[in-house]
Amino acid sequence: EAGVTQFPSHSVIEKGQTVTLRCDPISGHDNLYWYRRVMGKEIKFLLHFVKESKQDESGMPNNRFLAERTGGTYSTLKVQPAELEDSGVYFCASSQDYRGGAEAFFGQGTRLTVV
Amino acid sequence: RKEVEQDPGPFNVPEGATVAFNCTYSNSASQSFFWYRQDCRKEPKLLMSVYSSGNEDGRFTAQLNRASQYISLLIRDSKLSDSATYLCSSASKIIFGSGTRLSIRP
Repeated sequence: EAGVTQFPSHSVIEKGQTVTLRCDPISGHDNLYWYRRVMGKEIKFLLHFVKESKQDESGMPNNRFLAERTGGTYSTLKVQPAELEDSGVYFCASSQDYRGGAEAFFGQGTRLTVV
Repeated sequence: RKEVEQDPGPFNVPEGATVAFNCTYSNSASQSFFWYRQDCRKEPKLLMSVYSSGNEDGRFTAQLNRASQYISLLIRDSKLSDSATYLCSSASKIIFGSGTRLSIRP
C-alpha cells in the first residue's frame, strides 16, 4: 500500500511568487494534517482536515496560506505570495480514525526555499 | 497553553547509558499518546503508543502518569542509532511539542 506522498519534494521560488504543495494521503484516511518545520526550529502544526472539512486551522501563520481538500482526498497548500520566512520543510500526515486517535503517517515532506 | 511541552535538550549521553525524558500535557481528558522519532531531515515516524498501562518494546518503555499529566520515555542500553529528536503528542490531536533532541556519543 502506498504511503503518504507529497509533491514536489523540493521547490525553490522567488519571493513574491506562488507555490502549491500537494499531499496525497493514504487511501481511506479521513484525517489529514499539515505541518511546517523551519530550519533549526520545532515542527509546527498548521491545520487538520477531517475529510474535506477544516477541523482546526489554528496553526496557519497568515492569510497568505490557503489549504484545500476538495472531495476529501488529496490536499493542496498554496502560499501566495511567498516570503523569505516561509522557507522550510512542509510535512503532511494522514490517519484513519478520528475519535480513537490512530497513528498518523507522515510524508517525506516538501522542502521549500524562498529566495 | 500548549497541548504538550517537552524539554528540548539536547541530551548527550554515552552509548550504553539509560536515558529518560518527559512530556507534559495540558488536556486532562487525553487518554492515549504517541512517541514519534524524527531523524535529521526526515519525517517523524511512530516509535510507540502510550496507554494507561504503559508500553514496553525492547529497550524502550513509555509510561503515562495521569495524576501529574505527563508521559515518559525510557531508553535502556542506548545505541548510537538512537540519536534523533523524540516528539510526543496526544493520540487524539497530533500536535507536537518542541521535541527532545537526543545525542548518543561513542
